[in-house]
Amino acid sequence: ETGVTQTPRHLVMGMTNKKSLKCEQHLGHNAMYWYKQSAKKPLELMFVYNFKEQTENNSVPSRFSPECPNSSHLFLHLHTLQPEDSALYLCASSQDGEAGGPRETQYFGPGTRLLVL
Amino acid sequence: AQSVAQPEDQVNVAEGNPLTVKCTYSVSGNPYLFWYVQYPNRGLQFLLKYITGDNLVKGSYGFEAEFNKSQTSFHLKKPSALVSDSALYFCAVRRPYSGAGSYQLTFGKGTKLSVIP
Repeated sequence: ETGVTQTPRHLVMGMTNKKSLKCEQHLGHNAMYWYKQSAKKPLELMFVYNFKEQTENNSVPSRFSPECPNSSHLFLHLHTLQPEDSALYLCASSQDGEAGGPRETQYFGPGTRLLVL
Repeated sequence: AQSVAQPEDQVNVAEGNPLTVKCTYSVSGNPYLFWYVQYPNRGLQFLLKYITGDNLVKGSYGFEAEFNKSQTSFHLKKPSALVSDSALYFCAVRRPYSGAGSYQLTFGKGTKLSVIP
């Protein structure tokens, strides 16, 4: 798990607050992901960045705003969230663009447990 | 569209007994299949994957999985369960790399494994 780190590990925020989640990968990967994990639901892919360019946005509400300043760092900026946004937010990284081979595996961070009041 | 089904929300097994966690998938083309494990308050840890080759894949912590193309299954197995194996297990699938399009990893809902002492 030390290959991908996430801060903070826990966050409580009101609906009018603005906060940011941070992810850093130390694996030399070129792709990074944000996932949302809610109770009793499959992991939901939110955003994908490949070589710092956003390649996928899975119809995520605009109150979630990703930022990828370089291939090692990924942020998720949060504003005017709703209580239903409370969840575990997971960051992952991989080395994509290769056909086969071990580098296509996604490696996950420990997550940020978010509670929106 | 690709999908993963984990038909059991929970699997209970006695310590020392063999365990199986089931997974079936749907994807166009030859699948890339993954198993991850999640311990409480932790991120997902990679266990093993199938890309090509031998249908029986060996992974971390003594786990293995068998790819069965005709049954579109990728069940996770371990010959002798440990109490420490108790966790949430996720199966995931993606389509093979072909140079364009989406390569999302689609996860199942997860299966909670409880190993009883």
